[in-house]
Amino acid sequence: KAGVTQTPRYLIKTRGQQVTLSCSPISGHRSVSWYQQTPGQGLQFLFEYFSETQRNKGNFPGRFSGRQFSNSRSEMNVSTLELGDSALYLCASSYLAGSSYNEQFFGPGTRLTVL
Amino acid sequence: QKEVEQNSGPLSVPEGAIASLNCTYSDRGSQSFFWYRQYSGKSPELIMSIYSNGDKEDGRFTAQLNKASQYVSLLIRDSQPSDSATYLCAVNIGSNFGNEKLTFGTGTRLTIIP
Repeated sequence: KAGVTQTPRYLIKTRGQQVTLSCSPISGHRSVSWYQQTPGQGLQFLFEYFSETQRNKGNFPGRFSGRQFSNSRSEMNVSTLELGDSALYLCASSYLAGSSYNEQFFGPGTRLTVL
Repeated sequence: QKEVEQNSGPLSVPEGAIASLNCTYSDRGSQSFFWYRQYSGKSPELIMSIYSNGDKEDGRFTAQLNKASQYVSLLIRDSQPSDSATYLCAVNIGSNFGNEKLTFGTGTRLTIIP
């Protein structure tokens, strides 16, 4: 079974631009979560989607948004990029069934650099 | 108090010895606990999940959970150089279904010395 895939893997943008990142979950997984990882703050939760609905949101400004499609694929968007948005953005998917139902499996991440 | 706390290390352990990694969490209502391994430049890889008090073993790895003490640990037996990585403790803070939000500790950097 294929793992979580994320595109693009690397991205370089300049301040003020916007960016869209894509995530395809493991087949059959319906929950997709997004995280930001930086050396200073570690791994921080951005938001979680289930059946095309955002159920949970972390403490990030409104410039960070996302959506989920009917096939469970998800995108996240960051508008008006700031230098501090440079980070590894990770997507994780969960099956939400069975005995280990909420295990989350991460994709390889998108490394975003804002210049 | 941080929601999930880990000793940042670094922790150095001789090859073949037992590595012990510890984690505490603040929310007594938490029900799901996970250990991830992250190699430098890579994404986190799930190695253990635990939901009930006690021990859970998987190969060389044993996760231990004590909800009364709000404590979860990971033991790695017969440590190998390939175990050298950062180990992240993650907790699903609060109730479970409908709140799939993992809160991570800052990670413990483990080095296995040949």
